Amino acid sequence: DQQVKQNSPSLSVQEGRISILNCDYTNSMFDYFLWYKKYPAEGPTFLISISSIKDKNEDGRFTVFLNKSAKHLSLHIVPSQPGDSAVYFCAASATKSSGDKLTFGTGTRLAVRP
Amino acid sequence: NAGVMQNPRHLVRRRGQEARLRCSPMKGHSHVYWYRQLPEEGLKFMVYLQKENIIDESGMPKERFSAEFPKEGPSILRIQQVVRGDSAAYFCASSPYKAVDASPLHFGNGTRLTVT
Repeated sequence: DQQVKQNSPSLSVQEGRISILNCDYTNSMFDYFLWYKKYPAEGPTFLISISSIKDKNEDGRFTVFLNKSAKHLSLHIVPSQPGDSAVYFCAASATKSSGDKLTFGTGTRLAVRP
Repeated sequence: NAGVMQNPRHLVRRRGQEARLRCSPMKGHSHVYWYRQLPEEGLKFMVYLQKENIIDESGMPKERFSAEFPKEGPSILRIQQVVRGDSAAYFCASSPYKAVDASPLHFGNGTRLTVT
């Protein structure tokens, strides 16, 4: 039962263009969402998060959008840089019931072409 | 301020042996989490511990797996009588607070366990 889904295993984008990574969830109890970035042989690194009371959160080149009615969130990276090439994981938490754990998607591998 | 430290980075065990994975959280963090990543999958929650207490072990297999976080020293994830299906990357994360919306988890670089 995959409660957090990242349906695109990979994405290739030209340097300087926008990267859009998508994530869908099924559990309506999820109320907090995070994006993590992971390089090979390293642990995930926190990128950006959003609470369900918001529909957008921005941090520099990174913006996360949340559509609660569609149970969908997306991460926008503008402009994309070669150093952004990594695997991006979407994660969700039901903070009111099990705020101690994250449920991760399977990841999207982003390749930014110079 | 050192990050989350995990060792060993790589561990090879034969079927039936024991594997011990260690995790030292970031300074000031008293909440430790273990996650497992199987090949081509996302990270799966295993267990959440505070000092000397297991808070949530709902993701731990019922047999052969155990975890502890003693008053002194690192957290240990122990796998007894390993099988090939235990081959995975095991990540430890720490946080100063319980709820992830209070502070995001900081992950270590993982231990890659290979069972031959």
